[in-house]
Amino acid sequence: DTGVSQDPRHKITKRGQNVTFRCDPISEHNRLYWYRQTLGQGPEFLTYFQNEAQLEKSRLLSDRFSAERPKGSFSTLEIQRTEQGDSAMYLCASSFQGSTGELFFGEGSRLTVL
Amino acid sequence: AQSVAQPEDQVNVAEGNPLTVKCTYSVSGNPYLFWYVQYPNRGLQFLLKYITGDNLVKGSYGFEAEFNKSQTSFHLKKPSALVSDSALYFCAVRGGSQGNLIFGKGTKLSVKP
Repeated sequence: DTGVSQDPRHKITKRGQNVTFRCDPISEHNRLYWYRQTLGQGPEFLTYFQNEAQLEKSRLLSDRFSAERPKGSFSTLEIQRTEQGDSAMYLCASSFQGSTGELFFGEGSRLTVL
Repeated sequence: AQSVAQPEDQVNVAEGNPLTVKCTYSVSGNPYLFWYVQYPNRGLQFLLKYITGDNLVKGSYGFEAEFNKSQTSFHLKKPSALVSDSALYFCAVRGGSQGNLIFGKGTKLSVKP
């Protein structure tokens, strides 16, 4: 399978714990995006990487959130001191710079904070 | 700022009938518009896009969309709905040069046999 893969698919944690999600984009894609989707809403942009550089962060990305893409391939999204409001689906997408715009999404990582 | 609106939370259609899912947009400059579909507990799947050219865009699974500049709309259509088309549909617009997409709230399509 050469699509975008995300791990884990589901994560249940207690409030105050740290969680980390991983995204492996399509191999030739140099752009990587993280989105958050809550029930009944469309995906909301969190952050964007071009190669290893994090070029844009949404105001939704509080100080408890950090994302990395150290070698310009896979990316991680860490949430520290989780809160119940962090419960959501975290979606990763990738694309190739210079493409006409469609993003290719992974299946998502669902976070439940108890 | 770029934005899209999906005025209907839900659309109900009988199988075999035509379907329309509505989307309007607000952009500065030329719009890059997209439709995605999401099945339960799954990621988003790309259906089609409008960048330039013909106002009628054809996409996956028999879907098409009509770009209307004067009405700032980009409605998704299908001539004959299938029960398997039941899903969440999202309209999106390109937010900037970085390529991030700005999504609408989504429309739940329900096709009954």
